[in-house]
Amino acid sequence: AQKITQTQPGMFVQEKEAVTLDCTYDTSDQSYGLFWYKQPSSGEMIFLIYQGSYDEQNATEGRYSLNFQKARKSANLVISASQLGDSAMYFCAMRESRSNDYKLSFGAGTTVTVRA
Amino acid sequence: DAGVTQSPTHLIKTRGQHVTLRCSPISGHKSVSWYQQVLGQGPQFIFQYYEKEERGRGNFPDRFSARQFPNYSSELNVNALLLGDSALYLCASSPLRGELFFGEGSRLTVL
Repeated sequence: AQKITQTQPGMFVQEKEAVTLDCTYDTSDQSYGLFWYKQPSSGEMIFLIYQGSYDEQNATEGRYSLNFQKARKSANLVISASQLGDSAMYFCAMRESRSNDYKLSFGAGTTVTVRA
Repeated sequence: DAGVTQSPTHLIKTRGQHVTLRCSPISGHKSVSWYQQVLGQGPQFIFQYYEKEERGRGNFPDRFSARQFPNYSSELNVNALLLGDSALYLCASSPLRGELFFGEGSRLTVL
């Protein structure tokens, strides 16, 4: 079963506007972590934001915020005031507590294109 | 400070050949993980090593192997290459349970 689902293959957003990237997840663990990464064309995965399953407040990091709805198992990323440099692939990922290793399960990603 | 470095950045192999990919973690990080990212998909977990021991293995055939050296650098080896092994191979380092820091990857093309 797919652990992370990102249903938007691609999105266009106007510069300076906000964009929301959807992510739903599937786990039976009570303790887990959710991550968002940005991947520009260079290939490097850049960490953006983290939300722990027990965190009561939504995570924020600068222009990035995570809309965490635990009951719905969703962890949407909001990018405010989009910039041209935000054009990239964005991946949602989850780490479950049950495993002895430290693997992340990634979604298929969403391509964001920011228009001037 | 140097980030995660991977080599080579690009390489081309033919079916049946063997490839070795290398990764140097961030100084002080003892854990290295490897991911395979096929074009158009998200990364898939291959291995995690911590203190030179394998801590996890993803759903990959035995043609894939890895090791970690005393200086915490790591190698990923793939034998008997198939066309389907063409991908971006990402290395990530971390403290055991800290945030993952990724390198820029090694882009492998199998012809």
